[in-house]
Amino acid sequence: EIVMTQSPDTLSVSPGERATLSCRASQSVGSNLAWYQQKPGQAPRLLIYGASTRGTGIPGRFSGSGSGTEFTLTISSLQSEDFAVYYCQQYNDWPPMYTFGQGTKLEIK
Amino acid sequence: QLQLQESGPGLVKPSETLSLTCTVSGASISRSTYYWGWIRQPPGKGLEWIGSIYYSGSTYYNPSLKSRVTISVDTSKNQFSLKVRSVTAADTAVYYCGRHPGGTGNHNVLDYWGQGTLVTVSS
Repeated sequence: EIVMTQSPDTLSVSPGERATLSCRASQSVGSNLAWYQQKPGQAPRLLIYGASTRGTGIPGRFSGSGSGTEFTLTISSLQSEDFAVYYCQQYNDWPPMYTFGQGTKLEIK
Repeated sequence: QLQLQESGPGLVKPSETLSLTCTVSGASISRSTYYWGWIRQPPGKGLEWIGSIYYSGSTYYNPSLKSRVTISVDTSKNQFSLKVRSVTAADTAVYYCGRHPGGTGNHNVLDYWGQGTLVTVSS
């Protein structure tokens, strides 16, 4: 099983500033990496797939990068609605064995 | 517009079977090239993929749960279902249904999710 590890567990950032979240895979997943945003009481929402492609309707301030085992989600200028928990997910295998990171909570500083 | 809605009992006794159904509206499961999956999230914790099914009935399961889980599809009702046998408190979670593409060369990400339903395992 591919283990996904996110860092940090909690990130405190002020509105308007940049946030950088990290995700590491225990083995290479190529570019088969997605990011999801989850707000309290809501289902996760797909932000990024293919490591760097924004999902439908996702604002341009969200960007993803990386390949292999190291990935980054950057939010360029934090808006109030961006404070949430973010998960990475690898989907490198077929038949599937999808695994998620433990999440990074992005909180207001 | 595609929508998924989970339904089922919110309370299940230990050792019994948890049963949930996901009803899909806005698209036909049987005319879709997508897979339909279940994901769970224990309170305050992260996400765990349980398994997925294609309209033909092909299934894939998380090996850690495979011995206790069955996913089935009813194309006539545009629904798919989850059963988890011999539940314990560790199966207490919000259960989500979702959709993802399948096969090699695709971005097999969950692009649509249900709102989730909390299932508590307790006597």
